[in-house]
Amino acid sequence: KAGVTQTPRYLIKTRGQQVTLSCSPISGHRSVSWYQQTPGQGLQFLFEYFSETQRNKGNFPGRFSGRQFSNSRSEMNVSTLELGDSALYLCATRGQLSGANVLTFGAGSRLTVL
Amino acid sequence: AQKVTQAQTEISVVEKEDVTLDCVYETRDTTYYLFWYKQPPSGELVFLIRRNSFDEQNEISGRYSWNFQKSTSSFNFTITASQVVDSAVYFCALSEALTGNQFYFGTGTSLTVIP
Repeated sequence: KAGVTQTPRYLIKTRGQQVTLSCSPISGHRSVSWYQQTPGQGLQFLFEYFSETQRNKGNFPGRFSGRQFSNSRSEMNVSTLELGDSALYLCATRGQLSGANVLTFGAGSRLTVL
Repeated sequence: AQKVTQAQTEISVVEKEDVTLDCVYETRDTTYYLFWYKQPPSGELVFLIRRNSFDEQNEISGRYSWNFQKSTSSFNFTITASQVVDSAVYFCALSEALTGNQFYFGTGTSLTVIP
């Protein structure tokens, strides 16, 4: 059973550009969550999608957006990049929206903004 | 409000020493779940354990053990006879049964095991 796949693994952008990250969940997992990880802030929740609908959203500016497709794959987009957006972006998936469900993480996309 | 606190930012131990990672949580829900994840240098968080709020039995898995105490809202993780491969960042997390929509992570504890 394939794990959670995130692409690209590494990318470098400059301030003002935009970036799109992709996450393919484990087969059968319909929920996809996104987290931003920085050294000083730990894991910060961005948003979660389930059945193509955003179910919950963290405290991030509108520059951060996401979507989910009918095959449960998800993308997140960051527009007008800032230096502070440099981080590891982690995707996590689970089968249902249940507190009991374990999140399975991908390896992350490491974004560097210059 | 929901919150997970891992007061230990960094810990260093010498190989074969025992080490305990602390986790304290806050929740108003009576049914909730606690998790521990390990993040090795590769970056991918790996699930270690899940415990529900009605099961206060301690659990042991090889060199790993977990002590869940509702009275102190703590879910501590002990590694016995630590090894270099245990070097990683460890995260404690909470999710609530009623909402289930969001996980609350602690800030992580970076463990370094010195050979």
